[in-house]
Amino acid sequence: DSGVTQTPKHLITATGQRVTLRCSPRSGDLSVYWYQQSLDQGLQFLIQYYNGEERAKGNILERFSAQQFPDLHSELNLSSLELGDSALYFCASSVSSGAGAYNEQFFGPGTRLTVL
Amino acid sequence: AQSVTQPDIHITVSEGASLELRCNYSYGATPYLFWYVQSPGQGLQLLLKYFSGDTLVQGIKGFEAEFKRSQSSFNLRKPSVHWSDAAEYFCAVGPLGGNMLTFGGGTRLMVKP
Repeated sequence: DSGVTQTPKHLITATGQRVTLRCSPRSGDLSVYWYQQSLDQGLQFLIQYYNGEERAKGNILERFSAQQFPDLHSELNLSSLELGDSALYFCASSVSSGAGAYNEQFFGPGTRLTVL
Repeated sequence: AQSVTQPDIHITVSEGASLELRCNYSYGATPYLFWYVQSPGQGLQLLLKYFSGDTLVQGIKGFEAEFKRSQSSFNLRKPSVHWSDAAEYFCAVGPLGGNMLTFGGGTRLMVKP
């Protein structure tokens, strides 16, 4: 158990809908990362938040957005869902931002999103 | 742009046999290099990492990896595979001064009894 929790575990929804995925980082970790694992694209970095502020952005679609709240939990919002958004979405956390020195990322178990 | 290639999508080995999983990276300087393992229904667990120094890195569960700059490779090895090692393995690279990880496509390991 990494200490990173993600809810829900599974999510099934229809095209065009909007969903919210939730992540609670390990106690004491200030950074949260979101990754998408799909059959087409593999495992790719979406976005990083550090202490409430966006820190780095990867291949995140405009239909997707994220935020980190004062209690440091994070939410990933996916809207206008398409079939291709079906994937496993991972959250990871680390102690700090990683600037200047790498911090190990601890991964949650993921949320499996199925878009029908 | 950085990239990671894992040439083998699937590998099957017999229990007790040795294992080598290949990883090649493309990056302008010496990157941070990682191997993660993903068991079914689980998140990613860090096996080992390389930042600098000794090019042979020891990790958890009896795994090791060797960084070879001349070949841009960071292959994962284990001398004797156990049935519990069956999982998917990901090589990843991270830039200095940042935490963003770029993953390879993964290698699925199956272990024959």
